[in-house]
Amino acid sequence: DAGVIQSPRHEVTEMGQEVTLRCKPISGHNSLFWYRQTMMRGLELLIYFNNNVPIDDSGMPEDRFSAKMPNASFSTLKIQPSEPRDSAVYFCATRSQTYNSPLHFGNGTRLTVT
Amino acid sequence: DQQVKQNSPSLSVQEGRISILNCDYTNSMFDYFLWYKKYPAEGPTFLISISSIKDKNEDGRFTVFLNKSAKHLSLHIVPSQPGDSAVYFCAASANTGFQKLVFGTGTRLLVSP
Repeated sequence: DAGVIQSPRHEVTEMGQEVTLRCKPISGHNSLFWYRQTMMRGLELLIYFNNNVPIDDSGMPEDRFSAKMPNASFSTLKIQPSEPRDSAVYFCATRSQTYNSPLHFGNGTRLTVT
Repeated sequence: DQQVKQNSPSLSVQEGRISILNCDYTNSMFDYFLWYKKYPAEGPTFLISISSIKDKNEDGRFTVFLNKSAKHLSLHIVPSQPGDSAVYFCAASANTGFQKLVFGTGTRLLVSP
């Protein structure tokens, strides 16, 4: 099993540009979560999906952020327009439907907005 | 509002000694708790968990203790090894909906030889 795959690993962009982060979940995992890691807030949940349906997006900081899961094997997190304060590491994590199953994280995308 | 708090940003321990990482939570609905370990440039990996029906869970060198009345849990690593040097995140979930995990801010553990 390849685990959760995120791309790109690093993204450097200028303020105002659109950024798209990608995630391929582990096959068979029905729940997908997007987290953002910052020094001040640790791992902050942005949005999560269950069976490709967004369940809770209350953690999405602003309308500039959007996420989609068009099918069971792909999800995107988009920031448009990006701002320097969006600089952080963004993690995708997935898990199965088994009760109390742990989250499996990808290696993250380090985003730098200049 | 930080529902899961790790008040110690860092901890230094000598190899062979015990490491104790602490975590406090505020939401009384939380009933499942986990610890994750994170190395640089990698995603967090699951380490150990505990259900609220227990007060202790042990896995090798790692033991998690839960004090529900104090809303406090701790992770003990005995003996500590240099390879344990990482950031440790405490996380909690409630038995509602889809069990979203709420994480703390992390504690960086450094185990020196």
